[in-house]
Amino acid sequence: DVKVTQSSRYLVKRTGEKVFLECVQDMDHENMFWYRQDPGLGLRLIYFSYDVKMKEKGDIPEGYSVSREKKERFSLILESASTNQTSMYLCASALGGQASTDTQYFGPGTRLTVL
Amino acid sequence: AQSVAQPEDQVNVAEGNPLTVKCTYSVSGNPYLFWYVQYPNRGLQFLLKYITGDNLVKGSYGFEAEFNKSQTSFHLKKPSALVSDSALYFCAVRDIKGTGFQKLVFGTGTRLLVSP
Repeated sequence: DVKVTQSSRYLVKRTGEKVFLECVQDMDHENMFWYRQDPGLGLRLIYFSYDVKMKEKGDIPEGYSVSREKKERFSLILESASTNQTSMYLCASALGGQASTDTQYFGPGTRLTVL
Repeated sequence: AQSVAQPEDQVNVAEGNPLTVKCTYSVSGNPYLFWYVQYPNRGLQFLLKYITGDNLVKGSYGFEAEFNKSQTSFHLKKPSALVSDSALYFCAVRDIKGTGFQKLVFGTGTRLLVSP
């Protein structure tokens, strides 16, 4: 089975802090994704990566950056956390290919609260 | 841009009854459609997808979905609901960015409550 793990299930940070969310997948997938999930808004794509050191902006990249130094690991960075970034963050991975129809596999999520 | 709509925030059904969770789509070109389920405090799990072929797609846990091109719908169905099916369900459509890379666009989700 594909396994996608996220470093924390729950995280509480203060406004202005730099926050790192880590995601690791064990299936050698090329594509990795970061979403945030908010009630009534569904999932919105923040960033995705289709290869090591390659990234693409999603629909809501403002206030976020990402890093992919190794194929299995994709990090989401909040440069200066703000209260409106309080949310559930979900990481996903997929086998790859530029226009792939491959299924995305999700991690358990990190619920981030910014005070 | 591709999009999906889930018109119901919540669906209530009694255990043993058939269930339907609705999804409509708006796409240019051929739609690639997905259903995911999220159980409490968990990530999303893949249920099924439609790429091409038979309009009735069978997936995990006894779920199926019917692709209807004329009605631009992709409703999720199950003949007999279980209490354990209570969860949040998301419909999604594949979108190709201008750079050529694919992403999923999700609906807002429908909460399914199955009562004993």
